[in-house]
Amino acid sequence: AQSVTQPDIHITVSEGASLELRCNYSYGATPYLFWYVQSPGQGLQLLLKYFSGDTLVQGIKGFEAEFKRSQSSFNLRKPSVHWSDAAEYFCAATRLRGTYKYIFGTGTRLKVLA
Amino acid sequence: SQTIHQWPATLVQPVGSPLSLECTVEGTSNPNLYWYRQAAGRGLQLLFYSVGIGQISSEVPQNLSASRPQDRQFILSSKKLLLSDSGFYLCAKASGTGRTDTQYFGPGTRLTVL
Repeated sequence: AQSVTQPDIHITVSEGASLELRCNYSYGATPYLFWYVQSPGQGLQLLLKYFSGDTLVQGIKGFEAEFKRSQSSFNLRKPSVHWSDAAEYFCAATRLRGTYKYIFGTGTRLKVLA
Repeated sequence: SQTIHQWPATLVQPVGSPLSLECTVEGTSNPNLYWYRQAAGRGLQLLFYSVGIGQISSEVPQNLSASRPQDRQFILSSKKLLLSDSGFYLCAKASGTGRTDTQYFGPGTRLTVL
């Protein structure tokens, strides 16, 4: 079955440190991939997306993600984390079965230490 | 515009009472619309999606229903709420042509059933 996996439920980093959030997918066709961020009590905000082409995509707030077909991964990175980045991050994929449904990972909660 | 309105922002209802949550979207016509639920500390659960007026697909059997009376209006309803219906309800839209669909989220409705 198609799925999106975020192996890390919680991650804690110090402010200024680099960040990598992992996302793996299982699919039967080329997926479209997304990263969203959710602050407490808020909706999800799109950080970046990958449809095709350059496998390194740039997003808002200084985030980037790299699509690696060989590893079925789409990891999110940021070189220097700010305290305001503390939130929950969701990886998502669509077109997994040629439908308009999206499959989300279970999320990774990021804590930033001052 | 990717603006999505959800009403109300918060709601406290007794068990057995009815429910109506409204979502209205701006932007291109005939978007795909979605209802998701987030239970406390959990990921997103797709409840319903709609690819057009009057077209509703249900993902999870439950006591909730959805309707799409207008192109940019999506309503989530229940005749009798259960305690387990508590959660954060998110409306989302997806629009684009062909292979460029991106999903955008509203601010959410926090529902507490007592």
